[in-house]
Amino acid sequence: AQTVTQSQPEMSVQEAETVTLSCTYDTSESDYYLFWYKQPPSRQMILVIRQEAYKQQNATENRFSVNFQKAAKSFSLKISDSQLGDAAMYFCAYRSSVGNEKLTFGTGTRLTIIP
Amino acid sequence: DVKVTQSSRYLVKRTGEKVFLECVQDMDHENMFWYRQDPGLGLRLIYFSYDVKMKEKGDIPEGYSVSREKKERFSLILESASTNQTSMYLCASSGRMNTEAFFGQGTRLTVV
Repeated sequence: AQTVTQSQPEMSVQEAETVTLSCTYDTSESDYYLFWYKQPPSRQMILVIRQEAYKQQNATENRFSVNFQKAAKSFSLKISDSQLGDAAMYFCAYRSSVGNEKLTFGTGTRLTIIP
Repeated sequence: DVKVTQSSRYLVKRTGEKVFLECVQDMDHENMFWYRQDPGLGLRLIYFSYDVKMKEKGDIPEGYSVSREKKERFSLILESASTNQTSMYLCASSGRMNTEAFFGQGTRLTVV
């Protein structure tokens, strides 16, 4: 079974600075998808960014980018120019490309933005 | 705008009651999921459904059942609520060929 590990329960960053959230996963599959979801205080889960394992290029969405290291099974999220609205729980998630399409989540990282 | 709607945002029930949590999606998605979210444990999958009347157990199905009679609706049932089922419940849906899952706003259930 796949597992996803987020080793940082809490992180904080000064507004306008850069922060990196860590995620590692364990799988025997070669093709899969990885995601970062954001859950603000409103509780609405929002997709931040996704990465297909077969793509070598790291995904980027505006201020959000990932560092995908397939051999190391590492998938970190970098937030540049942090803004107050980035404060939230961030969850890393894994989905197989075959079989059922369930998402396996990590335990989350609570990000605080310091004004 | 795509939408997954959960019937209640907050719910308080008594121990032993039968509880229904309803989830409706308007995106014609094949897959629907029920997750439970607890501090320090992340989101854990209770049940999922990949088609009408089809269901599979997730990682923590004990004490729960589900029903999917129509494509757009996926219900989570607590047959006899217990205090250890006090939690946040999140419903999600995704299309067969679409990798992204969309979530409802969550139901915070308290069992007293």
